[in-house]
Amino acid sequence: GNSVTQMEGPVTLSEEAFLTINCTYTATGYPSLFWYVQYPGEGLQLLLKATKADDKGSNKGFEATYRKETTSFHLEKGSVQVSDSAVYFCALNGAGKSTFGDGTTLTVKP
Amino acid sequence: ETGVTQTPRHLVMGMTNKKSLKCEQHLGHNAMYWYKQSAKKPLELMFVYNFKEQTENNSVPSRFSPECPNSSHLFLHLHTLQPEDSALYLCASSQVESGETQYFGPGTRLLVL
Repeated sequence: GNSVTQMEGPVTLSEEAFLTINCTYTATGYPSLFWYVQYPGEGLQLLLKATKADDKGSNKGFEATYRKETTSFHLEKGSVQVSDSAVYFCALNGAGKSTFGDGTTLTVKP
Repeated sequence: ETGVTQTPRHLVMGMTNKKSLKCEQHLGHNAMYWYKQSAKKPLELMFVYNFKEQTENNSVPSRFSPECPNSSHLFLHLHTLQPEDSALYLCASSQVESGETQYFGPGTRLLVL
C-alpha cells in the first residue's frame, strides 16, 4: 500500500533560518503530493501541492518539488518566521485514497 | 459560512453519555471524512463517505457511528466511549474528481471522563 515517511520532529529554528523538512513516499502509479500545515488550535490546511513529476508547489515562501526519481517531496523555506510555528504534514493521494505522514512540529524562536 | 465547520468545538462527556459531533461543508464537495488526532500519534482516518455512501471504515469500534444524510453534512455519534477516545476529531471534505485536496474543519476537542 501507499506510505509517507517524513522527518521526525520536533524541529526548532531561529527566525530567518533555512528550513527543510524531508518527505519520501511509496506509491503505485502517479500520486498527487501535498503539504498541509496545522496551526495551534486549528484543523489542517493545504500549504502547497504538486500533481506530477518535476512540478514545484509553492505558497507563502514555502516550496516543494515532486521528485519521482527519489520519490521525495521535501519542504523548504529560505527564511522562517515565528508565525511559521506549526505542525507540517506531508501527504499523497493515489487512486483516490489519501495517506498522511506523521507530522513534523516546527518551532521558530525570535 | 464558508469552508468546513464543526460543532461543538469542545466536548466533555462521561463514559455512559451519548453525544454527536456535527460537520458541515459549504464547498459543494462529494466526499467527507472523519479523522482522529491524538497527542503524539499519527492522524488516523476513521470513515470515508463518497456521494453519501460509506466507502471506508478503518476498523473503528462500534461505539463510533457515522451518519451522512446528504453530501453537505456528516455526523459522528458517540456512545459509551472510553478515556482513550479523548482526542481531536477532524472532519474534512474533498471533490473526488479533482486531485483530492482535502479541506479540514477546525475539529472538536473531545474529553472522555
